[in-house]
Amino acid sequence: ELKVEQNPLFLSMQEGKNYTIYCNYSTTSDRLYWYRQDPGKSLESLFVLLSNGAVKQEGRLMASLDTKARLSTLHITAAVHDLSATYFCAVDNAGGTSYGKLTFGQGTILTVHP
Amino acid sequence: GAVVSQHPSRVICKSGTSVKIECRSLDFQATTMFWYRQFPKQSLMLMATSNEGSKATYEQGVEKDKFLINHASLTLSTLTVTSAHPEDSSFYICSARDRKEVMTNLGEQFFGPGTRLTVL
Repeated sequence: ELKVEQNPLFLSMQEGKNYTIYCNYSTTSDRLYWYRQDPGKSLESLFVLLSNGAVKQEGRLMASLDTKARLSTLHITAAVHDLSATYFCAVDNAGGTSYGKLTFGQGTILTVHP
Repeated sequence: GAVVSQHPSRVICKSGTSVKIECRSLDFQATTMFWYRQFPKQSLMLMATSNEGSKATYEQGVEKDKFLINHASLTLSTLTVTSAHPEDSSFYICSARDRKEVMTNLGEQFFGPGTRLTVL
């Protein structure tokens, strides 16, 4: 059974600081997704990582994937208040033509304060 | 592009009634849709995979007779919560994969805005 674990689960950051959220998963997969969720809202897709060594950046967020270590990171650079949200990683745990069954991590609640 | 809608966005019902939630892909065709449930301050849990023209595949522990899924067309899947009880109160989110992306195995899915169900 695929398990996906995020670390930390709660993150309180000062504006301007950097931090990294980690996502570990238990079985082989080469597809990992990062999502953002604001309170009461659905998921917003941030990054799709499809291969070992993939690195993607958008604004102050950068995500990477190491399939050998079964680890993805979401790095936050110079945090601003607008980044406050819950961040989920999700791993695709079906192969062949059945991609799409996602197992989500627990979520990391990020709060950025002055 | 790649918009998924859900209706209703919010529903309050009495215990024992049935509630239908619709999930529509607005600008693409979806052979596969997924239904997730999210309890407050928790993660998303996959309930079932809905395939157009065939029976849904339910995850372990999800009662298929309680959560009826119908995927009658390439743009619409419905989830009916039958005889709802307060413990069914949750945020239900659907997602859909573009039929074209299934062919290329890109795999990305697009999430609906969610339906908040409250059972009194």
